[in-house]
Amino acid sequence: DQQVKQNSPSLSVQEGRISILNCDYTNSMFDYFLWYKKYPAEGPTFLISISSIKDKNEDGRFTVFLNKSAKHLSLHIVPSQPGDSAVYFCASYEYNQGGKLIFGQGTELSVKP
Amino acid sequence: GAGVSQSPSNKVTEKGKDVELRCDPISGHTALYWYRQSLGQGLEFLIYFQGNSAPDKSGLPSDRFSAERTGGSVSTLTIQRTQQEDSAVYLCASSLAPGYQETQYFGPGTRLLVL
Repeated sequence: DQQVKQNSPSLSVQEGRISILNCDYTNSMFDYFLWYKKYPAEGPTFLISISSIKDKNEDGRFTVFLNKSAKHLSLHIVPSQPGDSAVYFCASYEYNQGGKLIFGQGTELSVKP
Repeated sequence: GAGVSQSPSNKVTEKGKDVELRCDPISGHTALYWYRQSLGQGLEFLIYFQGNSAPDKSGLPSDRFSAERTGGSVSTLTIQRTQQEDSAVYLCASSLAPGYQETQYFGPGTRLLVL
């Protein structure tokens, strides 16, 4: 049972344009969400997070939007740069379930010059 | 070093052999987590430690898998009688404190191939 879903395995975007990565979840007890970025042969690196009490969090070129009623979040990267090419994972904590992170399958972003 | 380190970086073993994977968390981090990523899949939670105890072992796939943590620092994940389906990247993470909303910092992983 996949509680966090990233339905697009890959995304290709032109440099300078916006990249939008999507994530859906099924568990209504999820209340804190994170995006991680992973380069080949490296571990995932934390990128940005959002609590369920917010609907938007911004950090430089990265913005995460949360729509609780739709159980959907998205990561926007503006403007996209070739160095953003990586696999992006959406992950969630379930309230009061310790530190266990539930990850989506990942979306591979390719930003072309 | 400043980050989470794991060893070995790569391990090739024969079916039926035992393997040990090691994780050195960031100094001062009390929580330590093990995940694995099979080919084409997301990260799958295995176990987490708070200090030397493991409050949540729910992700360990079978009794062939075990983990321990000593001195509130280094952790070892042991897989006994390895099977081909154990082939995956095993990732370790640590956080300053246990519990949710704490950012987890990942090591580079150990790539395990069982022939």
